[in-house]
Amino acid sequence: SQKIEQNSEALNIQEGKTATLTCNHTNYSPAYLQWYRQDPGRGPVFLLLIRENEKEKRKERLKVTFDTTLKQSLFHITASQPADSATYLCALVRGAQKLVFGQGTRLTINP
Amino acid sequence: GAVVSQHPSRVICKSGTSVKIECRSLDFQATTMFWYRQFPKQSLMLMATSNEGSKATYEQGVEKDKFLINHASLTLSTLTVTSAHPEDSSFYICSARAWDSTGDTQYFGPGTRLTVL
Repeated sequence: SQKIEQNSEALNIQEGKTATLTCNHTNYSPAYLQWYRQDPGRGPVFLLLIRENEKEKRKERLKVTFDTTLKQSLFHITASQPADSATYLCALVRGAQKLVFGQGTRLTINP
Repeated sequence: GAVVSQHPSRVICKSGTSVKIECRSLDFQATTMFWYRQFPKQSLMLMATSNEGSKATYEQGVEKDKFLINHASLTLSTLTVTSAHPEDSSFYICSARAWDSTGDTQYFGPGTRLTVL
């Protein structure tokens, strides 16, 4: 079955530094992978989607890479701010837009 | 971006009662909506796919007679937890499928916190 793993349960970063989160997918090669932000007690908010034929995608301070050989996606937040503190989820799509989520990485940006 | 709402945002009920949760796409039509469940410190788990005008399809291990789904219009899907028990206490989140500039995307509601006493 499709499996998606986020390496770190929690990550603490100093404000201004770049936060890098990792997502690995095994037993499956998705056509694309998505990243979401989830704040406590709220639903996920879509951030970025990267397709298998794209090496990198950017949106403001966010950057996502997708290495189909390593079956890995990296999610970067540059010039991190305390407001970036949240749980970040990666998700792959399996058939008919069904999303399989990783367990999430709780990111804390310390001022 | 597209907006999805859920009502209620939180509900507390007694064991054995039924609870209905509504999911609405506010500014777009969604033929497909999804229902997820999230336990504390865990990720979202897909429960079922709700299709407008047809029966929902349920993921393995999800009881269709316990979690009734109705998708009667292009902007509304409802999830009814029947005869709720304490183990059904969870965070229920819906999403609506949309095609926009991003592509084939899901937009999520804010979630409903269900507590069964």
